[in-house]
Amino acid sequence: QQQVRQSPQSLTVWEGETAILNCSYEDSTFDYFPWYWQFPRESPALLIAIRPVSNKKEDGRFTIFFNKREKKLSLHITDSQPGDSATYFCATGTGGYKVVFGSGTRLLVSP
Amino acid sequence: GALVYQYPRRTICKSGTSMRMECQAVGFQATSVAWYRQSPQKTFELIALSTVNSAIKYEQNFTQEKFPISHPNLSFSSMTVLNAYLEDRGLYLCGARGQGTGQLYFGEGSKLTVL
Repeated sequence: QQQVRQSPQSLTVWEGETAILNCSYEDSTFDYFPWYWQFPRESPALLIAIRPVSNKKEDGRFTIFFNKREKKLSLHITDSQPGDSATYFCATGTGGYKVVFGSGTRLLVSP
Repeated sequence: GALVYQYPRRTICKSGTSMRMECQAVGFQATSVAWYRQSPQKTFELIALSTVNSAIKYEQNFTQEKFPISHPNLSFSSMTVLNAYLEDRGLYLCGARGQGTGQLYFGEGSKLTVL
């Protein structure tokens, strides 16, 4: 059973547009939702994270929108830049220890 | 700042041999360490979660007999891939978390190639 689902699998946007990456999860006990990005030949790095006490978390051009009732969240990247091109992983965690990853969305920002 | 170092960065081994990888937390105490594998074209599979003062919990399809893990103190963990075969290829990542924080810090990974 896939605990974390991401869509789309890949996404291409033009520079300056807003990219929207979607994520849904199964287990309502998850209480930590980080997004990681991974560039080719590099390990993943934490981009932004949210906890269920909030329904929105913003950090510069990156915003997480969280819908606890529907067990969905999305990552919005405004004013997308070519340097944002990477694979983005939605992840969820329980009790702050176990983190499970989605299958990733490959984002390409075309100049 | 908090950092996680992994060693070696990459290894090429013959089929049937073993490979040991290490994970070092710097700047914080790693109360829990999670080992992941990213196989080619796949996402991150959680292999096991090691929490101080608790037994190491292995995920389905991963066993202690195949992936023995040591977590002797709050700054170090190691994992060995025993009898590696082609299906064990991938990038092995160590994720360490300190007490009281939700953030998981990843090392740069140990890439395993099996010939």
